[in-house]
Amino acid sequence: DQQVKQNSPSLSVQEGRISILNCDYTNSMFDYFLWYKKYPAEGPTFLISISSIKDKNEDGRFTVFLNKSAKHLSLHIVPSQPGDSAVYFCAASDQGGSEKLVFGKGTKLTVNP
Amino acid sequence: DSGVTQTPKHLITATGQRVTLRCSPRSGDLSVYWYQQSLDQGLQFLIQYYNGEERAKGNILERFSAQQFPDLHSELNLSSLELGDSALYFCASSVVGRGNEQFFGPGTRLTVL
Repeated sequence: DQQVKQNSPSLSVQEGRISILNCDYTNSMFDYFLWYKKYPAEGPTFLISISSIKDKNEDGRFTVFLNKSAKHLSLHIVPSQPGDSAVYFCAASDQGGSEKLVFGKGTKLTVNP
Repeated sequence: DSGVTQTPKHLITATGQRVTLRCSPRSGDLSVYWYQQSLDQGLQFLIQYYNGEERAKGNILERFSAQQFPDLHSELNLSSLELGDSALYFCASSVVGRGNEQFFGPGTRLTVL
């Protein structure tokens, strides 16, 4: 039973345009969400997070939106750069329970020059 | 560089053998988490230690065990290895408490032949 789903295995965008990566979750107990970026042969790198008390969090070119009623979150990257090409993982945790992160399977983003 | 170190980077061994993976958390982080990433899978939580004590367990096999030492480094022991144990094993650390992002090491790639 996959509690965090990233339904697009890959996404290709042009440099300078917006990249939108999507994530859905099923567990209504999740109240903290994170995005990680992963390059080959490296560990995941934390990008941005959002608590369920917010619906938007912004950090530079990265913005995460949370729609609790739809159990959906998205990561917007504007403008996209070739260095953003990586696998992006969505993760969730239940702050009232275990501190473990539940990850989606990832979306491979390719930003073309 | 996340500040989390893992050794070795690569490990090749045979079925039935036992291996030990090592992790040093970021300075000041009391929590250590172990995750497994198999082919086509997202990261799966295995186990968490906090200041030397086991805090949470995921779908960790009985053949696997872990511990955290007084200096806060952690070891993941995998025994009676099977072909299906071939995967990337990541260690992560966080300060303490919930709602904190976890910082990942570069991982150990285990290949069981």
